[in-house]
This record gives sequence, C-alpha cells and structure tokens, in this order.
Amino acid sequence: RKEVEQDPGPFNVPEGATVAFNCTYSNSASQSFFWYRQDCRKEPKLLMSVYSSGNEDGRFTAQLNRASQYISLLIRDSKLSDSATYLCVVKKGDDYKLSFGAGTTVTVRA
Amino acid sequence: GAGVSQSPSNKVTEKGKDVELRCDPISGHTALYWYRQSLGQGLEFLIYFQGNSAPDKSGLPSDRFSAERTGGSVSTLTIQRTQQEDSAVYLCASSPRGGLEQYFGPGTRLTVT
Repeated sequence: RKEVEQDPGPFNVPEGATVAFNCTYSNSASQSFFWYRQDCRKEPKLLMSVYSSGNEDGRFTAQLNRASQYISLLIRDSKLSDSATYLCVVKKGDDYKLSFGAGTTVTVRA
Repeated sequence: GAGVSQSPSNKVTEKGKDVELRCDPISGHTALYWYRQSLGQGLEFLIYFQGNSAPDKSGLPSDRFSAERTGGSVSTLTIQRTQQEDSAVYLCASSPRGGLEQYFGPGTRLTVT
C-alpha cells in the first residue's frame, strides 16, 4: 500500500466554483502535513502546511482528520490560475523525509 | 534570493552512457534531497544529504546510481550505464535542515534513447 494516496482526478471545474479533494496516509505516526502545487512541467512549490485545527490561506482551506488519516484541500472561487496538480505530502515525527502523493489534477475552465 | 538551480535542464543520452546531474542548493541550506519523477507519477525519493553525509541512500534504484555532496553545497547525481527506464525528471530540493519545507529546483529532464 502506498504511504500517501490521492485521487488523480482530473477535477474539471468552471471559474468561480468550489472544488475539494482528499488524500489518505497510511502511517499513523505521521506528524506533519503539507499541500504542494505543481504546474505542468514545473517543480513542486509549497502551497500550505496543514494544521490539526485546520487552516485557511485566502481561498484555500486545508483540513486534517487524524482519526481517519486523511487530509483535504478546498479551493473556493476557483481561478484559471488554480489549474495545477496538487501534491499531498506527509512527514513522520522528526523524520527528515517527506512522502509525496502522486497528485490530484485540477483544471479550471473559463 | 537565488533559489535551487540544476544543470543541465535537459539531457539526452544514449543507452549505456554515464550522466552527471548537478544541483546547487540555496545558500545555507544543510539538507539536500534528490527525487525522480516519471511522467504522470509522483515523486520518488532517491537520496538525502545532511551536510556532506548521506544518511539515507535507500531510494537509489540500483548500484548504477550514486550521489555525492561536497563542501556542504553542490551535489552531483551520477547514473552509470544508463537504461531507458532511467528516463525521468530528476528534481533536487534543499531545506534549512532536514524535515522542514523543501525548495525545489527546476529539474533535469533526462531522456535515454
């Protein structure tokens, strides 16, 4: 079983719509969680960290459910520029290694 | 400030040749990571450096792959006797120390013909 699993999508949504997707992780010892964004043929970049209480950054909201071992990302009022692949990333405790999901592709259409 | 840089950006090589990929991390970042990303796939961890030491080489796919880091800065990933299945984008990332946010370079796209 993969350590981090994501629905690959694609999620095709119109501008202004809300889109949400999850990622599940297998290791209950995981302590830190992130969403990275990767544009086509570009490198991944940190979008936001995910905190236990959930957190927002503008139009983006991240939630963590430790009991069910999943993380979610919600994008409100989608923009064309939100089109990208969103990578779910998990880290165990003090471990240095990040485990990346294969990504969820979002396409926002005009 | 300057981000992570990698060279070359693209490399086409014939099967059986050796290649060297270079990564210049952000100045002062002690942790350096190499990943491989095949088309449509997630990031595959290859190796991690803390300073010049590589405490975890577990991700290297075979003994044809090796990496070194000198002066706590530049790192080189070497692939010997390349095979077609080595074709992928090789990404380098650095971090102020292990386990924190990673900053990625633009990658080297390797094509083995």
